[in-house]
Amino acid sequence: EDKVVQSPLSLVVHEGDTVTLNCSYEVTNFRSLLWYKQEKKAPTFLFMLTSSGIEKKSGRLSSILDKKELFSILNITATQTGDSAVYLCAGGRAGNMLTFGGGTRLMVKP
Amino acid sequence: GAVVSQHPSRVICKSGTSVKIECRSLDFQATTMFWYRQFPKQSLMLMATSNEGSKATYEQGVEKDKFLINHASLTLSTLTVTSAHPEDSSFYICSARDPQGAAYEQYFGPGTRLTVT
Repeated sequence: EDKVVQSPLSLVVHEGDTVTLNCSYEVTNFRSLLWYKQEKKAPTFLFMLTSSGIEKKSGRLSSILDKKELFSILNITATQTGDSAVYLCAGGRAGNMLTFGGGTRLMVKP
Repeated sequence: GAVVSQHPSRVICKSGTSVKIECRSLDFQATTMFWYRQFPKQSLMLMATSNEGSKATYEQGVEKDKFLINHASLTLSTLTVTSAHPEDSSFYICSARDPQGAAYEQYFGPGTRLTVT
């Protein structure tokens, strides 16, 4: 059975801190690893990673995939209160289907 | 960017009745749509993959006779929860894949909160 595990479950930091969110996966016919941000309703897309060792960046967010260790991290630098959300990672498998992890709930305090 | 809508956003129904939830891709044609279920403080669980013009593919443990999925057009998929029970109360989210976009990139609808009394 496919499994995606995220850690930590929740995290409380102060504005300006840097955070690292972890995602390990065991997905049959793995194709890609995706990160989403979910605030109140629909998840919004952040990154899709398919190659090992290549960092993707978008502003203060960056992510990297290790296909040997079946692991990905999402980094957020200089956190802001607007970064407070649940961050979901998902393993994409053949057929464009996604298996989601349980999420990391991030709270950034002013 | 691609937009996916869901209707209704919230529904309350009595036990034993059926509820239909619509998922529409507004500015693209989605050959594939996905239906997820999310319990409070839990992650999204894929229920089924809906392909336009063919039968849906259900994940293990999801009752296809209870959760009827119809993908009659390239912009609309519907999920009908039949004979609803209180344990079906959940947040149902659909997503759609733009075939012109990157593989695995899915656009999510805003979700439908179902409460069965």
